[in-house]
Amino acid sequence: SYVLTQPPSVSVAPGQTASLTCGGNNIGSESVHWYQQKPGQAPVLVVYDDSDRPSGIPERFSGSNSGNTATLTITRVEAGDEAAYYCQVWAGTDVQPDVVFGGGTKLTVL
Amino acid sequence: QVQLQESGPGLVKPSETLSLTCSVSGGSINDFHWSWIRQPPGKGLEWIGFISNIGDTHYNPSLKSRVTISADTFKKQFSLKMTSVTAADTAVYFCARRLKRGIVKMFDTWGPGTMVTVSS
Repeated sequence: SYVLTQPPSVSVAPGQTASLTCGGNNIGSESVHWYQQKPGQAPVLVVYDDSDRPSGIPERFSGSNSGNTATLTITRVEAGDEAAYYCQVWAGTDVQPDVVFGGGTKLTVL
Repeated sequence: QVQLQESGPGLVKPSETLSLTCSVSGGSINDFHWSWIRQPPGKGLEWIGFISNIGDTHYNPSLKSRVTISADTFKKQFSLKMTSVTAADTAVYFCARRLKRGIVKMFDTWGPGTMVTVSS
């Protein structure tokens, strides 16, 4: 089974840039999605297919993916960005899909 | 805009069967794949399985022997049954829609989640 590795926590001051990483074997060949989850709420898709944003997601959220690391970048961080962030890929095959989530990174805004 | 809502018992006894339903409103159930995903308290997300728009099902191999997902298109609902539950199955259970754009697949819409506790 494919494994995605995320650091448990990242801290950043307001107005600064947060870089959240997601490691996986040759993850650059996968399509990576990122979800934001605030306490007591359902996850929200913030970046899909490595770097695309759903409508309504601020341009401050961007993504990249290469080699063994995918990255979610949040510029001009705001207090409201404090949340857990999960990366996700659809691995496996059409016969046996394998939906994999990373363990999540808790973003703390100092 | 499509909305999802989970429903079902919040408390299940050990060794019994967990049953949840997800109701789909504001959109078609026929054109998408529908998933169940869970999150134990304080932990990360775990995919349980999905049912396709033609009724095919795929499950997480670690749960496959205990899980069944089905759909009732007339009621615009899909359901999860998990047998022989233990305390390890205590979690918030989410239903979610899989959106496909070309070959890219993602969960674009989620229900608010429902907490299920396994305890006697």
